[in-house]
Amino acid sequence: GAGVSQSPSNKVTEKGKDVELRCDPISGHTALYWYRQSLGQGLEFLIYFQGNSAPDKSGLPSDRFSAERTGGSVSTLTIQRTQQEDSAVYLCASSTTGGNQPQHFGDGTRLSIL
Amino acid sequence: GNSVTQMEGPVTLSEEAFLTINCTYTATGYPSLFWYVQYPGEGLQLLLKATKADDKGSNKGFEATYRKETTSFHLEKGSVQVSDSAVYFCALGYGNKLVFGAGTILRVKS
Repeated sequence: GAGVSQSPSNKVTEKGKDVELRCDPISGHTALYWYRQSLGQGLEFLIYFQGNSAPDKSGLPSDRFSAERTGGSVSTLTIQRTQQEDSAVYLCASSTTGGNQPQHFGDGTRLSIL
Repeated sequence: GNSVTQMEGPVTLSEEAFLTINCTYTATGYPSLFWYVQYPGEGLQLLLKATKADDKGSNKGFEATYRKETTSFHLEKGSVQVSDSAVYFCALGYGNKLVFGAGTILRVKS
């Protein structure tokens, strides 16, 4: 079946612009996660959704970052007023029920801020 | 807090050599442990998992045993292939999130 799908695969934008990153999880997976992978910081957790609620937003690095999920399916991660340090690969994952179930990752969106 | 430490790479081996990538963790409670692999140009894939002490996860010839007494989850393979060249991440699952190690690059030469 289809895996986790992310779009765009690459995004280049100018500093100060807003960007939206999209994640389409595996059908039927109630849990959805966003992570960031960067050279200096490795893989970092950003936010966790269970259904449309986000009980854990502890990894969002600043109030410029927000995320939502609608219909228990697609999620959008929005970064406002982008900065160069936001450059990274943003990974989305989903799992069947959350908890410590295995997470299945998308191929990521490579974000480059000029 | 929760953290994962894995051996620094790159690890360079000849084909058919034995592989060990060390991973130790610090955690409160009883986490699940995972190894993920990232092949060149591809996304993260789950390689194997273990959910409780003394569990052994295995897949594609790779194995790792959840050792609570040594807080370790070392990855092993008896005979590596060139196609195993990738970045390997050890991770613990706790509280609805994964905490990753820094990753270990494995290069296998023919």
